[in-house]
Amino acid sequence: DTEVTQTPKHLVMGMTNKKSLKCEQHMGHRAMYWYKQKAKKPPELMFVYSYEKLSINESVPSRFSPECPNSSLLNLHLHALQPEDSALYLCASSHGTVNSDTQYFGPGTRLTVL
Amino acid sequence: EDKVVQSPLSLVVHEGDTVTLNCSYEVTNFRSLLWYKQEKKAPTFLFMLTSSGIEKKSGRLSSILDKKELFSILNITATQTGDSAVYLCAGGYSGNTPLVFGKGTRLSVIA
Repeated sequence: DTEVTQTPKHLVMGMTNKKSLKCEQHMGHRAMYWYKQKAKKPPELMFVYSYEKLSINESVPSRFSPECPNSSLLNLHLHALQPEDSALYLCASSHGTVNSDTQYFGPGTRLTVL
Repeated sequence: EDKVVQSPLSLVVHEGDTVTLNCSYEVTNFRSLLWYKQEKKAPTFLFMLTSSGIEKKSGRLSSILDKKELFSILNITATQTGDSAVYLCAGGYSGNTPLVFGKGTRLSVIA
């Protein structure tokens, strides 16, 4: 099973809302990632969790708050977002540590901020 | 300066053509090079290359790494309209460094 699942598939929220994106994998992977992807651009790394600990935060604004409740789950809590945060949010996982392992991506959540 | 550079950025070919996509990378702490295909949604994994000169093949797609000249190519033979996608190349580096993606090559295959 090489599947990473993400919910919801689509999300529309206002700038005052609080919402969460969820990601799950059951491959026993110990590194999990959040990426943001704007149209016609490559994915941009936001956060990396390695063995359930935040190991990389790529200077992401505090209105994005990641959480890794256990080794299979990764959440991204959203609060007071801006319209420019509208994008495809991708979750990925890899077997071991962050360096060069194949990352398997989930289908993404398409977020629209009004 | 970008660590991973792809070329061309976009390409239009006819069905049946063979295409070669290029990816050059920075050598410092390099461990592996990965290719992904992205259609409308998330990237899907194609190949991971770590050794120079060994071709990896999957159907009509193949890829090879040249660690002397610091590049990789992705070949697609007998292209089909379903091959239309953005092809992403990513460099894997040692240390606490995640994958570094290139900007991608947008391939359009027309009937």
